[in-house]
Amino acid sequence: DQQVKQNSPSLSVQEGRISILNCDYTNSMFDYFLWYKKYPAEGPTFLISISSIKDKNEDGRFTVFLNKSAKHLSLHIVPSQPGDSAVYFCAASGQGNLIFGKGTKLSVKP
Amino acid sequence: DAGITQSPRHKVTETGTPVTLRCHQTENHRYMYWYRQDPGHGLRLIHYSYGVKDTDKGEVSDGYSVSRSKTEDFLLTLESATSSQTSVYFCAISEGRSDGYTFGSGTRLTVV
Repeated sequence: DQQVKQNSPSLSVQEGRISILNCDYTNSMFDYFLWYKKYPAEGPTFLISISSIKDKNEDGRFTVFLNKSAKHLSLHIVPSQPGDSAVYFCAASGQGNLIFGKGTKLSVKP
Repeated sequence: DAGITQSPRHKVTETGTPVTLRCHQTENHRYMYWYRQDPGHGLRLIHYSYGVKDTDKGEVSDGYSVSRSKTEDFLLTLESATSSQTSVYFCAISEGRSDGYTFGSGTRLTVV
């Protein structure tokens, strides 16, 4: 049973526009959430995280929003750039190992 | 990331043969993990280690074993490789169990 769900396998966005990647979770004990970015033939790299005591965390063009009541988080990329084209994994933990979603492949068109 | 290396980067092996993948870290992190990545499944945890000689199973541990005799090395062994174990394998490290992970570059394993 998936505890972390990324329901969109892919997303295509025009360069300069906003990319919104979504993630849902089922375990209310999760208290730490992360986004990882993965290019082909490379390992995932950490992008941004958020603790459950916050509802927003921003780092440059990347912002993560957490809605605890809905058990939903989203990653906003503004403005999107072609170099952002990658697979994005959402991950969550609650004092245990990180649990990853299946990933969303983002394509940013020039 | 220079703090974690995986070897080999690519391997082709025959069904039924044993295979060992190596993960080496220079960060002195306590936790080490082995994941596999497959289309439609994302990243799935195979085994993890929380110290020297301390390991535990993950979500997809059947057919795999691990060993950690030193802090810096975490070995993943496929005792008798099967085609279903064709995958990309990633090692990861972290200081604490719930901290962000640092991943290696991956090993692409093909079982023919």
